[in-house]
Amino acid sequence: QKEVEQNSGPLSVPEGAIASLNCTYSDRGSQSFFWYRQYSGKSPELIMSIYSNGDKEDGRFTAQLNKASQYVSLLIRDSQPSDSATYLCAVNKAGNKLVFGAGTILRVKS
Amino acid sequence: EAEVAQSPRYKITEKSQAVAFWCDPISGHATLYWYRQILGQGPELLVQFQDESVVDDSQLPKDRFSAERLKGVDSTLKIQPAELGDSAMYLCASSHGQGAFGYTFGSGTRLTVV
Repeated sequence: QKEVEQNSGPLSVPEGAIASLNCTYSDRGSQSFFWYRQYSGKSPELIMSIYSNGDKEDGRFTAQLNKASQYVSLLIRDSQPSDSATYLCAVNKAGNKLVFGAGTILRVKS
Repeated sequence: EAEVAQSPRYKITEKSQAVAFWCDPISGHATLYWYRQILGQGPELLVQFQDESVVDDSQLPKDRFSAERLKGVDSTLKIQPAELGDSAMYLCASSHGQGAFGYTFGSGTRLTVV
């Protein structure tokens, strides 16, 4: 079992729709969770972090965390073609290192 | 905005040759990470430094890879000899010591071994 699992996609949504990206993790002791966006050929860019159960909103992005279910999600409202990228879920492990999922490819169609 | 500097941006090398990548973290960041990202996969940690000391190199193929951060600032990752399977993006990241707050990646080095 991989430590961080994501559906590889691609997830296709029309422009203006809500994109929902999901991630599960195996280490119940994990406390910090992150979403990175990665455009093709570029390095990952941190877009959201979440540490407590519930929702955290930042502009069009909402991160959701459910530690009991070991589940993290990212919602992107009013999706734009510029949101088309790979979204990486990352979990902080003991020793202050991040473990990444394989990423979900998002395609927003205009 | 402070950045993590990496060079070169792209590198093409022949199988069995040596190759080296350089990283300069954000000033004041004590923790430095090297990750490898194979196309279609997530980044995988190769080595983690705290100042000049290696904290974790459990996933570093030590028969061919080496990493150093001699003065606790910039770092070099070396591969010798390079193999075809080493073709990947090599990413450097730094943090002020607490990965719990995420960290910033450099632009990466795209290595192609031919």
